[in-house]
Amino acid sequence: DGGITQSPKYLFRKEGQNVTLSCEQNLNHDAMYWYRQDPGQGLRLIYYSQIVNDFQKGDIAEGYSVSREKKESFPLTVTSAQKNPTAFYLCASSGRDSSNQPQHFGDGTRLSIL
Amino acid sequence: QQQVKQSPQSLIVQKGGISIINCAYENTAFDYFPWYQQFPGKGPALLIAIRPDVSEKKEGRFTISFNKSAKQFSLHIMDSQPGDSATYFCAARGYSSASKIIFGSGTRLSIRP
Repeated sequence: DGGITQSPKYLFRKEGQNVTLSCEQNLNHDAMYWYRQDPGQGLRLIYYSQIVNDFQKGDIAEGYSVSREKKESFPLTVTSAQKNPTAFYLCASSGRDSSNQPQHFGDGTRLSIL
Repeated sequence: QQQVKQSPQSLIVQKGGISIINCAYENTAFDYFPWYQQFPGKGPALLIAIRPDVSEKKEGRFTISFNKSAKQFSLHIMDSQPGDSATYFCAARGYSSASKIIFGSGTRLSIRP
């Protein structure tokens, strides 16, 4: 079955620690996205990538970093500079004819502070 | 001007009733309006979408109504079922290839049996 796999499902971060969230897709989609979801708020775009080796900042990129070395993979690193990282993180992808509209979402990673 | 305002924040409807969720926008450059459905612990899933050249789109029990002059659009769920209980997000996107999709704040819908 094609889809997006996010791991881990739950993640805990210690003070001053960087953590990396994994996102893999087997849909052959060009574009991939990272969103942050907080209670009572809509999804906010962190980073997106429309093609391998290229990515752009979204609305709330500070304290986060990404890479896009392979079409299938778009890992997100939450750095120690992100002072309020507790949230539900969602990865999404879209095909070439669905520009900037996430079509498929993973089931998310819930990040908490220890 | 980039916001999409969604209401209500939460909604309780009896089984068999009609659920209505409303959204409003300011940016007249928006030209694509999707709705997403999200179950607890899962990612959102694209449910139905509309472009402003039509006033209504229906897929099964789900209907989007679009009022271009008022810059409002709404999701109607007919014959609401307990399995429809989820969080619903409206969204909007501009026609430019560089436009990003903007999400509303979400509506938590509960259908009482």
